[in-house]
Amino acid sequence: GEDVEQSLFLSVREGDSSVINCTYTDSSSTYLYWYKQEPGAGLQLLTYIFSNMDMKQDQRLTVLLNKKDKHLSLRIADTQTGDSAIYFCAERGSSASKIIFGSGTRLSIRP
Amino acid sequence: DAGVTQSPTHLIKTRGQHVTLRCSPISGHKSVSWYQQVLGQGPQFIFQYYEKEERGRGNFPDRFSARQFPNYSSELNVNALLLGDSALYLCASSLGRLGDTQYFGPGTRLTVL
Repeated sequence: GEDVEQSLFLSVREGDSSVINCTYTDSSSTYLYWYKQEPGAGLQLLTYIFSNMDMKQDQRLTVLLNKKDKHLSLRIADTQTGDSAIYFCAERGSSASKIIFGSGTRLSIRP
Repeated sequence: DAGVTQSPTHLIKTRGQHVTLRCSPISGHKSVSWYQQVLGQGPQFIFQYYEKEERGRGNFPDRFSARQFPNYSSELNVNALLLGDSALYLCASSLGRLGDTQYFGPGTRLTVL
């Protein structure tokens, strides 16, 4: 079946890089997403990658996709206090109407 | 440009009541999807509507229903509320083509007592 898994917590020092990892099971996944959710708020789309890509970079964000291992990661360079949030990994097939989300990784920043 | 809007922002109901949640998509978007996010979990897909027709349905009981209007706004209805229906209900809009990126609204926080 379809499943997306993430570690629940990550703590990093301000200014360091954060790497959030995710694994998924659906081999037909075509789109892979990273969403950010701040307390009491909805989901903000951070970035996405097509399954035929290995890497995508967008300013401080780098997404790496290992399709063979069904592993996705999000690297945030120079992590700031404003990056504190829950980060959701999600996947979707090309003909699917629904997005499958992981349980989210809570990123906390140490001074 | 306005993003996805949802109303109300918060709602408190008692068991057995029904509730109607509303969503207005981004201008030009023709598809609306609904998700339920229980505290501590990721969102779970409930419905997707496109051009007023249901395109997809998640694993939710028949107490959950939705519709889309000619202006592409949408309503989610939940009947016979249970305590377990307490959650953040998120609406997402997209252009409408399969695979289009979905943009989420701020959600409606429903508490069932």
